[in-house]
Amino acid sequence: DTGVSQDPRHKITKRGQNVTFRCDPISEHNRLYWYRQTLGQGPEFLTYFQNEAQLEKSRLLSDRFSAERPKGSFSTLEIQRTEQGDSAMYLCASSRGSGPGEKLFFGSGTQLSVL
Amino acid sequence: AQSVAQPEDQVNVAEGNPLTVKCTYSVSGNPYLFWYVQYPNRGLQFLLKYITGDNLVKGSYGFEAEFNKSQTSFHLKKPSALVSDSALYFCAVRDGTGGFKTIFGAGTRLFVKA
Repeated sequence: DTGVSQDPRHKITKRGQNVTFRCDPISEHNRLYWYRQTLGQGPEFLTYFQNEAQLEKSRLLSDRFSAERPKGSFSTLEIQRTEQGDSAMYLCASSRGSGPGEKLFFGSGTQLSVL
Repeated sequence: AQSVAQPEDQVNVAEGNPLTVKCTYSVSGNPYLFWYVQYPNRGLQFLLKYITGDNLVKGSYGFEAEFNKSQTSFHLKKPSALVSDSALYFCAVRDGTGGFKTIFGAGTRLFVKA
């Protein structure tokens, strides 16, 4: 069990630029989640995948955000035309897919700063 | 829609004293309840969960939580706090009617003083 891996750990970008983050889940996990966390707040749900299918997407997520999991393994989260309000920690989590009582395994996150 | 409330931003307790971190929830169906902990510069870690059965569930590091259906609460407890328990604690809920979205509370910072 090598854990959930996220890359990069930190990203600084200028407003209006596009950014992409990568998440590698634990190898046998078929569910993958993206969350966003700002200082003083809990993780906010963005979207989740079961294998390669994106099953739910938060209504808070604007159309500038897109996520993919093309082969049911790693996932990418892209933010187009970044805004200063996008500055946050972006967390990835994975789970086995064994049922609603399963726990999430989190990565260390990608800290995005939009200047 | 499911939601979680953690009414205290911070809880302060002396080492050796019992601690309680409060959580209330709202879901449409049967709740699946979780506690996660976040230590400085580390990712979120699972502590314990309630699915069904006994209302008192035990988890990692000596923590336990009590499920109260009538009060829709799931408070985190520990009989004797350690300085090393100081961290950010998140309560989370998943709606048992379908889907696997987990909703987190805003978090409670626990500060244990030696």
